[in-house]
Amino acid sequence: GAVVSQHPSWVICKSGTSVKIECRSLDFQATTMFWYRQFPKQSLMLMATSNEGSKATYEQGVEKDKFLINHASLTLSTLTVTSAHPEDSSFYICSARDPRATDTQYFGPGTRLTVL
Amino acid sequence: QKEVEQNSGPLSVPEGAIASLNCTYSDRVSQSFFWYRQYSGKSPELIMSIYSNGDKEDGRFTAQLNKASQYVSLLIRDSQPSDSATYLCAVNIAGNTGKLIFGQGTTLQVKP
Repeated sequence: GAVVSQHPSWVICKSGTSVKIECRSLDFQATTMFWYRQFPKQSLMLMATSNEGSKATYEQGVEKDKFLINHASLTLSTLTVTSAHPEDSSFYICSARDPRATDTQYFGPGTRLTVL
Repeated sequence: QKEVEQNSGPLSVPEGAIASLNCTYSDRVSQSFFWYRQYSGKSPELIMSIYSNGDKEDGRFTAQLNKASQYVSLLIRDSQPSDSATYLCAVNIAGNTGKLIFGQGTTLQVKP
């Protein structure tokens, strides 16, 4: 399968600071990437769809000014959590759509964010 | 509201048995179906994709799709304790957005 990396794997920050998470497709070009959030014992929640060269599409209820997404190249998308608060603490996971396999998404290893 | 539904479980099977995981979906025009495995604290890992009615086998895994009845299932033969995980069913949203809808997941416990 295709390989997607994410960095950092975990981060601890103080309330009010911003955190940037990177998602890279390592062996294919991904025109579309997705950002999910998962709270303990819950399923994946899609936050936004990131398309290379255009603005991200956010799901209902997700604040686009708080969760900034940039997809500047075919292999890199970034999620910046701005002015983080303890309630933003969660497991953030990106996925990349493999254009060689219909609708198939490959997930990165995830980033565990803890906001103090 | 387009939905994907799974029994949350836990589904408990003895080692060596067949585990059967089921998923139903509401959108009749969905064309792509996926099973992901997620270990606790980890991200989902793709196990199988299936696009046509019938069975698709890959090693100990068999995915079954019935579009008329709107269900997709995953069979795991010769279950091993290492198969203990949450299994997520995912279905595409029509319209070439690439978006998938995920079920809540079924927790499988394989007991030695």
